Amino acid sequence: DVKVTQSSRYLVKRTGEKVFLECVQDMDHENMFWYRQDPGLGLRLIYFSYDVKMKEKGDIPEGYSVSREKKERFSLILESASTNQTSMYLCASSHVREHEAFFGQGTRLTVV
Amino acid sequence: GDSVTQMEGPVTLSEEAFLTINCTYTATGYPSLFWYVQYPGEGLQLLLKATKADDKGSNKGFEATYRKETTSFHLEKGSVQVSDSAVYFCALDSGGYQKVTFGIGTKLQVIP
Repeated sequence: DVKVTQSSRYLVKRTGEKVFLECVQDMDHENMFWYRQDPGLGLRLIYFSYDVKMKEKGDIPEGYSVSREKKERFSLILESASTNQTSMYLCASSHVREHEAFFGQGTRLTVV
Repeated sequence: GDSVTQMEGPVTLSEEAFLTINCTYTATGYPSLFWYVQYPGEGLQLLLKATKADDKGSNKGFEATYRKETTSFHLEKGSVQVSDSAVYFCALDSGGYQKVTFGIGTKLQVIP
């Protein structure tokens, strides 16, 4: 079974903390993505990566950074968490020649 | 840029009713089109897809036809079940780095 695994289902962090969200895929996919999901706004792309050490900004990159040191792992970093970053975060991956994205189960982050 | 328009809902139906969820899109070129489903507490999973005009995607009794002339990809099912209660996302991929654009998601509630 193909799998995208996010390190936490639920996280509670304090304002100003540095937060790491980890995502690992076992399908040898080139592309990896981080989205946030909010009611009424759907999925919005934060960052994506099409190769190791490569990254591209998505639609809402402000306040976030990413790291991809290995092909299977894509990390989302909140440098200084703020309450408006409370959201559901979804990681996804896809093969460069296929169009289907595979998603993790999501991390619900609450910043207090 | 690319965009996907769908109603947010919720759509409430009785079991065995007919389902239509409308989806229209704006894109350059010839995108691939998708429907993803998100069951409560889970990430998204691909429901069906179509990669060129007039293609029909189908899965689990759901169908959608890629209509280039009306830029639409409406999701239909002849007889819904309680287990179909979920959020349904229409999406497109214009190629390149395969950055997928999602609609806001339509919540479907099926009551017995």
